[in-house]
Amino acid sequence: NAGVTQTPKFRVLKTGQSMTLLCAQDMNHEYMYWYRQDPGMGLRLIHYSVGEGTTAKGEVPDGYNVSRLKKQNFLLGLESAAPSQTSVYFCASSSGGAKNIQYFGAGTRLSVL
Amino acid sequence: GIQVEQSPPDLILQEGANSTLRCNFSDSVNNLQWFHQNPWGQLINLFYIPSGTKQNGRLSATTVATERYSLLYISSSQTTDSGVYFCAVVPRGKLYYGGSQGNLIFGKGTKLSVKP
Repeated sequence: NAGVTQTPKFRVLKTGQSMTLLCAQDMNHEYMYWYRQDPGMGLRLIHYSVGEGTTAKGEVPDGYNVSRLKKQNFLLGLESAAPSQTSVYFCASSSGGAKNIQYFGAGTRLSVL
Repeated sequence: GIQVEQSPPDLILQEGANSTLRCNFSDSVNNLQWFHQNPWGQLINLFYIPSGTKQNGRLSATTVATERYSLLYISSSQTTDSGVYFCAVVPRGKLYYGGSQGNLIFGKGTKLSVKP
C-alpha cells in the first residue's frame, strides 16, 4: 500500500517550458488536492477534485491546470513555467466527510530558472 | 477570510524538554487539524481536533473553540520531533465541496528543532 505517490521528486525548468506533475493514490479516495509550499509559508491550495472527472479552483490557481481522468490520478500542469512557480508541490487525497483527513505525498521540488 | 496564526514561529529545545505550540484562528471553525512536516518534507496528520482534547503518546492537543485557539503539547521531546508543525482549519458553515470554501486553510507553521 503506497498511499500517495508523486512523480517526479525534483525538476528544473527554464522559463516558458511546460511540464506535468503526476499524483497517484491507491486508497480509493474521492478527493484529491494540489498544494504549493513556499519558504516560511503554510500550504496553499492550487486546485482540487471531489471525484473522477471533476476539478475546482483553490486559493492560487493562476498558471496551473489540472485533470482527473481516472479516480486514482490527479495531474497538475504548468503550460508556461514562470520563476514565480518555483516551489514545493504537494498532492494529497482524502475520503471526504466531516473529518476529511488528508494524506500527503512526499512532494515535488520544482525550480524555474 | 479566516486568519490562522501560529506561535512561536521558531522553537529550539533540548531533548527531553516539553513544549506548547499555539494556533489562533479568527473565526469559528468546524474542522481543525494538526500536521507535522519532518525535515525531509513529509507531511503527516497528527490530530483532527475541532474541539476538546486528544492524546497520542507524547503528543496531545486541546482546542477551545469558543476562544478560537488550539494548543499542541509535546512532552519529553525527541530529535525525531524536529520539523514544522502546521495547524489547518475549515471555517464553520463552509461546505467542503463547491468553490475554495470549505478547504483546509493552513497557518505558517512552527519550526521546531530538538537538539540532542
